[in-house]
Amino acid sequence: GESVGLHLPTLSVQEGDNSIINCAYSNSASDYFIWYKQESGKGPQFIIDIRSNMDKRQGQRVTVLLNKTVKHLSLQIAATQPGDSAVYFCAETSSGNTPLVFGKGTRLSVIA
Amino acid sequence: NAGVTQTPKFQVLKTGQSMTLQCAQDMNHNSMYWYRQDPGMGLRLIYYSASEGTTDKGEVPNGYNVSRLNKREFSLRLESAAPSQTSVYFCARGDRTGELFFGEGSRLTVL
Repeated sequence: GESVGLHLPTLSVQEGDNSIINCAYSNSASDYFIWYKQESGKGPQFIIDIRSNMDKRQGQRVTVLLNKTVKHLSLQIAATQPGDSAVYFCAETSSGNTPLVFGKGTRLSVIA
Repeated sequence: NAGVTQTPKFQVLKTGQSMTLQCAQDMNHNSMYWYRQDPGMGLRLIYYSASEGTTDKGEVPNGYNVSRLNKREFSLRLESAAPSQTSVYFCARGDRTGELFFGEGSRLTVL
């Protein structure tokens, strides 16, 4: 089976509950942040992004919050569904001129 | 596959063998990337190419070489494979905002 994702922090939530996944970033010069979702055996897929001139951005069932003061990013998933089970990565870059740097990821497990 | 095609999808090598991972994009983006993914380590950048004709080292370039053959193709070569290079390798293309679009991955095992 797929070994990627072993030893990751895991968040387990009941189906229908809200999920919050947190990420601390390191580079104070980073100004563009992305959340990716990776399902087993697949490549990471874009979920939502946010620029440093914003502190909140909403998508369909997902919200990203950015706190530049403490260099913290969070992803909120409303009404979590079994299809949301995956590994979630935050990534940061500076003005798109440097490659994305990824966090180590969090595994979300949805309990039906 | 987000417009990124990687081959092969699976490969088993013996220590010391060489191989090339191929990557092609169909979106005409300037930048392309190779990452490796290991358990508990997230995605780590091996090499990237900001534009055709240029390549730069990432966080973990040792043991690898790359070629940006043209705007569409970016290959990753292992000249003498080692067990530490057992990993899942992802190629990505990047748009001007910095967002990356990943292929499905190439799973390499070095015995």
